[in-house]
Amino acid sequence: GALVYQYPRRTICKSGTSMRMECQAVGFQATSVAWYRQSPQKTFELIALSTVNSAIKYEQNFTQEKFPISHPNLSFSSMTVLNAYLEDRGLYLCGARGLTEVFFGKGTRLTVV
Amino acid sequence: GQQVQQSPASLVLQEGENAELQCNFSSTATQLQWFYQRPGGSLVSLLYNPSGTKHTGRLTSTTVTKERRSSLHISSSQITDSGTYFCAMEGAGGADRLTFGKGTQLIIQP
Repeated sequence: GALVYQYPRRTICKSGTSMRMECQAVGFQATSVAWYRQSPQKTFELIALSTVNSAIKYEQNFTQEKFPISHPNLSFSSMTVLNAYLEDRGLYLCGARGLTEVFFGKGTRLTVV
Repeated sequence: GQQVQQSPASLVLQEGENAELQCNFSSTATQLQWFYQRPGGSLVSLLYNPSGTKHTGRLTSTTVTKERRSSLHISSSQITDSGTYFCAMEGAGGADRLTFGKGTQLIIQP
């Protein structure tokens, strides 16, 4: 079946430091990978969308300088949160789209201290 | 931009009762998925249903595209069904972007 592995599951970083999270689609070829952040209030924000053969598109309020993403092949994507501060905390979710349905990893919970 | 409204915001039921969750969206949906989020955070895809009626186990989703609404029916609810249910849609020209509702928190009591 289609699975999306995301790691680490949780991480704590000091304010001003950076952390990297990874996402891997297994059992299917992902036509696109999207990174979302879920706030403590449970709302979802799309950070960026990476589609095969297209440049990574960042949403308003999110930049490549802050959230650089690497998407070297159909199955793997990584995102780094640079200079993390308190407002960056939350659950980061990677969603990989198969033919139609989107499958999510278990998320990386970022705590900033 | 696209908006997704879910209702109710929370729902408390006794075990064995049926649950009905609603999702309304501001534009025509070309993609529509229902997700379940466990208290630990994992987001699980329940049903992909951009139109019509789909069943899986105790779950039934009905999407009426022209009325811009979808529902999720959970029959004979169990305590383990407790969690938050999200509706997410992609509109025409949405370019793979899912817009999520704010979720319905379902609490099943013994």
